[in-house]
Amino acid sequence: EIVMTQSPATLSVSPGERVTLSCRASQGISNNLAWYQQKSGQAPRLLIYGASSRATGIPARFSGSGSGTEFTLTISSLQSEDFAVYFCQQYDHWAPMYTFGQGTRLEIQ
Amino acid sequence: QVQLQESGPGLMKPSETLSLTCHVSGASLSSGANYWSWIRQSAGEGLQWIGRIYASGRTDLNRSLRSRASISADTSSNQFFLRLRSVTANDAGIYYCARLGWMDTHFDLWGQGTVVTVSS
Repeated sequence: EIVMTQSPATLSVSPGERVTLSCRASQGISNNLAWYQQKSGQAPRLLIYGASSRATGIPARFSGSGSGTEFTLTISSLQSEDFAVYFCQQYDHWAPMYTFGQGTRLEIQ
Repeated sequence: QVQLQESGPGLMKPSETLSLTCHVSGASLSSGANYWSWIRQSAGEGLQWIGRIYASGRTDLNRSLRSRASISADTSSNQFFLRLRSVTANDAGIYYCARLGWMDTHFDLWGQGTVVTVSS
């Protein structure tokens, strides 16, 4: 099973800052990588798919990059509504199987 | 717009069989345009994919749950279902149904989730 590792576990940042979250796959997954945002008491919301494509309605301050085993989610200027937990997720079409990272929590500094 | 709504018993006893329903509105399961999935979330395991079903009835399940889980669908009522046998405390958490998006690589739409508690 492909294991997804996110870092850091928690990140304390201030509104307006630029932030980069990391996600590493235990083996190459091409660009089969998605990012989700989850706020307390809510379901995850798709932000990015195909490693770098923004989902419908997602603001341009969210961007994704990477391929193979190393991926990043960048938020160019943090807004108050962006403080949440972010998950990455991979798709292994050979299995088929989907696995998620353990999440990165963005906290207000 | 397309919406997903989970429903289920809430409280289970160990060894019982969990049965959950996901009602889809705004889209037709029988169209064959998407796979539909079950995902769960717990403090211990994080987010875990359980399985997916296609309009044809074809299913794929997480290998770790294959011996206990099954997914089925009723296109006439536009619902799909999860059954999980012999539940334990490890099966407690929030269960989500979700739609798989373009190329089946990601989950583009989620229900709000239903909480499952397992206690004797």
